Amino acid sequence: GQNIDQPTEMTATEGAIVQINCTYQTSGFNGLFWYQQHAGEAPTFLSYNVLDGLEEKGRFSSFLSRSKGYSYLLLKELQMKDSASYLCAGLDSNYQLIWGAGTKLIIKP
Amino acid sequence: NAGVTQTPKFRVLKTGQSMTLLCAQDMNHEYMYWYRQDPGMGLRLIHYSVGEGTTAKGEVPDGYNVSRLKKQNFLLGLESAAPSQTSVYFCASSPLGPDRMETQYFGPGTRLLVL
Repeated sequence: GQNIDQPTEMTATEGAIVQINCTYQTSGFNGLFWYQQHAGEAPTFLSYNVLDGLEEKGRFSSFLSRSKGYSYLLLKELQMKDSASYLCAGLDSNYQLIWGAGTKLIIKP
Repeated sequence: NAGVTQTPKFRVLKTGQSMTLLCAQDMNHEYMYWYRQDPGMGLRLIHYSVGEGTTAKGEVPDGYNVSRLKKQNFLLGLESAAPSQTSVYFCASSPLGPDRMETQYFGPGTRLLVL
């Protein structure tokens, strides 16, 4: 079956760095998305990876290893506003998005 | 641009009642999607549309119907609501399909409680 696994919850300190991991098992693979979702709000796009390696966008970076079925989202210089859920979603061979349950990130001062 | 809007924001239904959720987008996107989001689970696709006048089933279509009579609107109907349909419903749209690796733009969600 198809599956996306990510930790349920993580806690980090303001100003620090946090890495949110995601492992995927999909029928074929056409890329991996990360979305941010603040409580009670809509998911918003953060990043898309289809090739191995690191993609950097300001304080946020996303990494992909296709051979390991693994991705992570790296958040640097954490701010209180980064408290949110981070959703990992894999695109399978039929171009269907398979969503993880999300990682709730709690930032403490 | 308003982006993607959803009506209503919140609704309480009794078992067996019917209702329609409305999604509207002003970005001229071809693709539109309806998802439900439940605690501890990922977003699950209910139905989607690849253009005006077309609809297709997603992962969890049972108990729901949809229509896309106008390009900018995508309606989700519950004919006979059940408590298992208590959820947060998100509508999304994208310019092209997932095969073009397009990101999806989400509406603010509709919180539905079925008693």
